[in-house]
Amino acid sequence: KAGVTQTPRYLIKTRGQQVTLSCSPISGHRSVSWYQQTPGQGLQFLFEYFSETQRNKGNFPGRFSGRQFSNSRSEMNVSTLELGDSALYLCASSLGGTGKSDTQYFGPGTRLTVL
Amino acid sequence: AQTVTQSQPEMSVQEAETVTLSCTYDTSENNYYLFWYKQPPSRQMILVIRQEAYKQQNATENRFSVNFQKAAKSFSLKISDSQLGDTAMYFCAFMKVLYNQGGKLIFGQGTELSVKP
Repeated sequence: KAGVTQTPRYLIKTRGQQVTLSCSPISGHRSVSWYQQTPGQGLQFLFEYFSETQRNKGNFPGRFSGRQFSNSRSEMNVSTLELGDSALYLCASSLGGTGKSDTQYFGPGTRLTVL
Repeated sequence: AQTVTQSQPEMSVQEAETVTLSCTYDTSENNYYLFWYKQPPSRQMILVIRQEAYKQQNATENRFSVNFQKAAKSFSLKISDSQLGDTAMYFCAFMKVLYNQGGKLIFGQGTELSVKP
């Protein structure tokens, strides 16, 4: 089975721009979560989607948003980019079908650099 | 709020030896999972092992095993017969079991493990 895929792998943007990152979960997985990884703050949870609905959200400003499509693929969007948004963005998928939180499997990440 | 603490920022071990990585956590929950993930230089986060809090038996996966002490809120990872490919950042993570709500992983700060030949 193919793993979680994320595109693009690397991205360079300038302050004030917006960016969209994409994540395709493992086949059969319906839950997608997003995390931000920075040297200073470590790994922080952004949000989680299941069946096109956001079920859980971390403590990030409204500039960070996401969505999920009917095929379980997910996108996250960051608007009005700031220098501090430079990070590795990790997507993780899990089955999600039992209604119970479950083991998450990660993609390779998207490295975003904001200049 | 739950917190996860890894008190060893860096560790090193000789190839073929055994090493133990420490993790403590703080929670008032009774139903949760604990995980160890590794992140090699490629930055791909890889699941190493999972422990369900209601299970008293410690989880094992080949050369990897945990020592889960629920009362002490301790969850250490033992790597036996260390291999060069084990060189990575290791993260301990906590997840509260939720129903009809997505699970959220809470990570420690990581332990950078170097396996030396």
